[in-house]
Amino acid sequence: KAGVTQTPRYLIKTRGQQVTLSCSPISGHRSVSWYQQTPGQGLQFLFEYFSETQRNKGNFPGRFSGRQFSNSRSEMNVSTLELGDSALYLCASRGTEYEKLFFGSGTQLSVL
Amino acid sequence: DQQVKQNSPSLSVQEGRISILNCDYTNSMFDYFLWYKKYPAEGPTFLISISSIKDKNEDGRFTVFLNKSAKHLSLHIVPSQPGDSAVYFCAASVKGERSYGKLTFGQGTILTVHP
Repeated sequence: KAGVTQTPRYLIKTRGQQVTLSCSPISGHRSVSWYQQTPGQGLQFLFEYFSETQRNKGNFPGRFSGRQFSNSRSEMNVSTLELGDSALYLCASRGTEYEKLFFGSGTQLSVL
Repeated sequence: DQQVKQNSPSLSVQEGRISILNCDYTNSMFDYFLWYKKYPAEGPTFLISISSIKDKNEDGRFTVFLNKSAKHLSLHIVPSQPGDSAVYFCAASVKGERSYGKLTFGQGTILTVHP
């Protein structure tokens, strides 16, 4: 069974640009969560989607948005990039054992 | 406001000895706790968890202890192996938020096990 797949693996953008990250969950998983990891901050929850609906959102500005498609694949978008958005963005999917998240390898975003 | 804290950024132990990683939390609503392990260039992988109704959970070489009165949990690895060298994240969840994929993570502890 394939794991969570995130693309691209690395991204370099400049301030003011926007970026879209993609995540394909484990087959059969309908819940997709997004996390931001920065040095010294651990992983911080961005939002969660289930059956194409955002059910929960973390404490991030509106520049961070996402969506989920009917096949459970999810995208995350960050508009008007700032230097502080440089981070590892992790996607996780969840099945019936709802307390366990299965993470992808992440997209490393660098904003110059 | 860091609700889950891992105060030791790094830990170094000798192969075969015990590794003890610590985690403190402030939110009394947390009722489920997990440990994740992360290797470089990979996503975190689930290691072990514990419900607040228990004070200990074992899985092979890994044991998690929960002290609710102190709002403290620890992960014991015995014996430690070089392959255990990774970043370890403590995470906690509230029942309602857990259903919506939200975990609150600590900052992580880098464990290095020397041969």
